[in-house]
Amino acid sequence: EAQVTQNPRYLITVTGKKLTVTCSQNMNHEYMSWYRQDPGLGLRQIYYSMNVEVTDKGDVPEGYKVSRKEKRNFPLILESPSPNQTSLYFCASSFIGLQETQYFGPGTRLLVL
Amino acid sequence: AQSVTQLDSQVPVFEEAPVELRCNYSSSVSVYLFWYVQYPNQGLQLLLKYLSGSTLVKGINGFEAEFNKSQTSFHLRKPSVHISDTAEYFCAVSRAYGGATNKLIFGTGTLLAVQP
Repeated sequence: EAQVTQNPRYLITVTGKKLTVTCSQNMNHEYMSWYRQDPGLGLRQIYYSMNVEVTDKGDVPEGYKVSRKEKRNFPLILESPSPNQTSLYFCASSFIGLQETQYFGPGTRLLVL
Repeated sequence: AQSVTQLDSQVPVFEEAPVELRCNYSSSVSVYLFWYVQYPNQGLQLLLKYLSGSTLVKGINGFEAEFNKSQTSFHLRKPSVHISDTAEYFCAVSRAYGGATNKLIFGTGTLLAVQP
């Protein structure tokens, strides 16, 4: 089954404790992206990647890191989480092209205490 | 730059009634337009998209949307809703050409609450 998977689905952590949220897709998509969803703000892009070893900042990159060492994986790293990073995070992937449909993972709900 | 406005944060409607969810966009260049749906505790999935051609676009689950260039709108409609349509609906826009980063700009979402 074609899908985007994220782990973990739920995470509670404390300020400053490094964490990684994994994202994997099995559709051979070149493009992958991370979004955060906050009430009243919709989805905002954190980072994106056009292919292996090619990443760039989105609209809200502060406090996050990413890497793209393999085509299928695009982990999101919070090196020193803070309470303002409490949010719902989505990974998405697609083929390259502005008209392409993006496929979303199920989401990771993060609470930073 | 592009932007999307969804003026209605919530739309309550009775089952089997028609519904329209409003979306307006702003852009200085041609755009592609998308509607995504998010069911409770799930990721987003594509309902429909407008790329070119006919301004009336049909999607999954009986939804359709009409692109109106003069009014810069892309409203979503369904003639008769079901309880299972209860979800959050997001309108999104991307540039139609230039700098192909697949970047989508999302609206703030509209919660469709279908009541029996």
